[in-house]
Amino acid sequence: EAQVTQNPRYLITVTGKKLTVTCSQNMNHEYMSWYRQDPGLGLRQIYYSMNVEVTDKGDVPEGYKVSRKEKRNFPLILESPSPNQTSLYFCASTKTLTGFTDTQYFGPGTRLTVL
Amino acid sequence: GQQVMQIPQYQHVQEGEDFTTYCNSSTTLSNIQWYKQRPGGHPVFLIQLVKSGEVKKQKRLTFQFGEAKKNSSLHITATQTTDVGTYFCAGPRNNDMRFGAGTRLTVKP
Repeated sequence: EAQVTQNPRYLITVTGKKLTVTCSQNMNHEYMSWYRQDPGLGLRQIYYSMNVEVTDKGDVPEGYKVSRKEKRNFPLILESPSPNQTSLYFCASTKTLTGFTDTQYFGPGTRLTVL
Repeated sequence: GQQVMQIPQYQHVQEGEDFTTYCNSSTTLSNIQWYKQRPGGHPVFLIQLVKSGEVKKQKRLTFQFGEAKKNSSLHITATQTTDVGTYFCAGPRNNDMRFGAGTRLTVKP
């Protein structure tokens, strides 16, 4: 089954404790991205990756890191989480990025709370 | 930079009534996509519009792309309780995607 998986689905942590949210897709997609969703703000892109070893900042990259060592995986790293990073996070992938002609597939989401 | 505005933010309708959400971009879009997110779920792709003036239908849903490719709309005829959720439009900007803030639809049986 074609899917995007994320782990963990829920996480409560404390300020400053490093964490990683994993994302994996099994569709051999080139393009992957991370979004955060906050009430009234919709989905805002954090980082994206057009292919292995190619990553770039989205709209709201501050406080986040990513890596793309393999095509299927795109982890999101919060080196020193702060309460303003409390949010719902989605990983997404799409086949290619040629004019965004392909649909994005979203993971189930990770609800993060930073105390 | 490119902004994608979506209105209304909320819409509450009686089952059977129609519903429309509107999306406007500050710049011309190469295409526009629509997504639906059920409560507690993740966004799910509905459709993509590419051509100027394009109209596509999916059962009770009608999607339009404006002539100038800067605006779009989603219209639902005779809403049902299964239509509940948040509807997002999204348009590409260079190598990333800009989403509207979404319209949250609630339907009273």
